[in-house]
Amino acid sequence: GAGVSQSPSNKVTEKGKDVELRCDPISGHTALYWYRQSLGQGLEFLIYFQGNSAPDKSGLPSDRFSAERTGGSVSTLTIQRTQQEDSAVYLCASSLVQGVQETQYFGPGTRLLVL
Amino acid sequence: AQSVAQPEDQVNVAEGNPLTVKCTYSVSGNPYLFWYVQYPNRGLQFLLKYITGDNLVKGSYGFEAEFNKSQTSFHLKKPSALVSDSALYFCAVRDRGGATNKLIFGTGTLLAVQP
Repeated sequence: GAGVSQSPSNKVTEKGKDVELRCDPISGHTALYWYRQSLGQGLEFLIYFQGNSAPDKSGLPSDRFSAERTGGSVSTLTIQRTQQEDSAVYLCASSLVQGVQETQYFGPGTRLLVL
Repeated sequence: AQSVAQPEDQVNVAEGNPLTVKCTYSVSGNPYLFWYVQYPNRGLQFLLKYITGDNLVKGSYGFEAEFNKSQTSFHLKKPSALVSDSALYFCAVRDRGGATNKLIFGTGTLLAVQP
């Protein structure tokens, strides 16, 4: 079946603009994660959704970052007033929660460049 | 706090030779360990995981990993490397605290297989 999809695949924006990144998880997967991959910070967790609620937002780096999930499916990560340090690859992962056996499956990522 | 370390930024191996990519972990309690691979401009692909049971875990593309509790290691291995195995490899541990199964990643090891 189809894997996790993300759009756009690449995004170039100017400093100060807002951007929206989209994630379509694997059908039926109730858990959804956002991670960020950058040269300086490596791979870091941003936010976790279970259904439409976000019990863990601890990785969001500032209040310019927000995310939502609707219908227990698609998620949008929004970055307001983008800064150059926001340049990174944003990865989405989903999983069918199975307790200790849970495995996260990742999308191809959105490469964000803030000029 | 949970953490993993990948001591080698890059591993070079000749095609046909065995390969090892190292990972050590630091966790409280039983570790849940994962290996992912990332090809250029692609997302992370799941290779294998250790949750419990046999210390030798077999995964995709002929890879396997050995869980060693006394050495707190989870090294990735393959008996015979292929040029197509060249990629970035990440070890990860599942966070055991809080409301999430977020993954904590190592810094990654670039595997280069020479023909």
